[in-house]
Amino acid sequence: GDSVTQMEGPVTLSEEAFLTINCTYTATGYPSLFWYVQYPGEGLQLLLKATKADDKGSNKGFEATYRKETTSFHLEKGSVQVSDSAVYFCALYNTGGFKTIFGAGTRLFVKA
Amino acid sequence: NAGVTQTPKFQVLKTGQSMTLQCAQDMNHNSMYWYRQDPGMGLRLIYYSASEGTTDKGEVPNGYNVSRLNKREFSLRLESAAPSQTSVYFCASSESGDRYNEQFFGPGTRLTVL
Repeated sequence: GDSVTQMEGPVTLSEEAFLTINCTYTATGYPSLFWYVQYPGEGLQLLLKATKADDKGSNKGFEATYRKETTSFHLEKGSVQVSDSAVYFCALYNTGGFKTIFGAGTRLFVKA
Repeated sequence: NAGVTQTPKFQVLKTGQSMTLQCAQDMNHNSMYWYRQDPGMGLRLIYYSASEGTTDKGEVPNGYNVSRLNKREFSLRLESAAPSQTSVYFCASSESGDRYNEQFFGPGTRLTVL
């Protein structure tokens, strides 16, 4: 079945450092890919998405590119801020399945 | 526009007690979901409702029941709570049938079963 694997955390960075959180997936067909973010004490919210190969999703300085050849959707940000401290979830959705598959989440701590 | 709301925010139960978690959305979405979130395990789908009048089991349905009361509301019931059901529960909703299925989440219910 479909699955998502993302790097274990926590990831601890200093402010203005470069961020990469790795995500790879296994799926039949051509799923849509997502990154969700969960701030402390809140529910998840969509950060960015990509629906086909080579699409780049971007939002709030975060980017991720849908790489079908490597089945990956790595999240990057050039300069993190303390306010980016959160848990990040990679996810995939296959059309018609009504189910989104989430990775285990990666906790990011950013130090001032 | 409140989005997805959940009640209660916190609950403590004793083993064997029952309770219902309430969820409502005001975005006219067709699909609704219940997840549980446990440390190191991400989100696991308990039940979902693809459209009003339908419900289906997800990955971890045992010990739970659901009711899609109308298009807005989707409740989750624990008939006889067990310590293994201690978790954070999230309700979510989405448009169904589109390419994206972006899900909108409520703030969560933190449940402790003693």
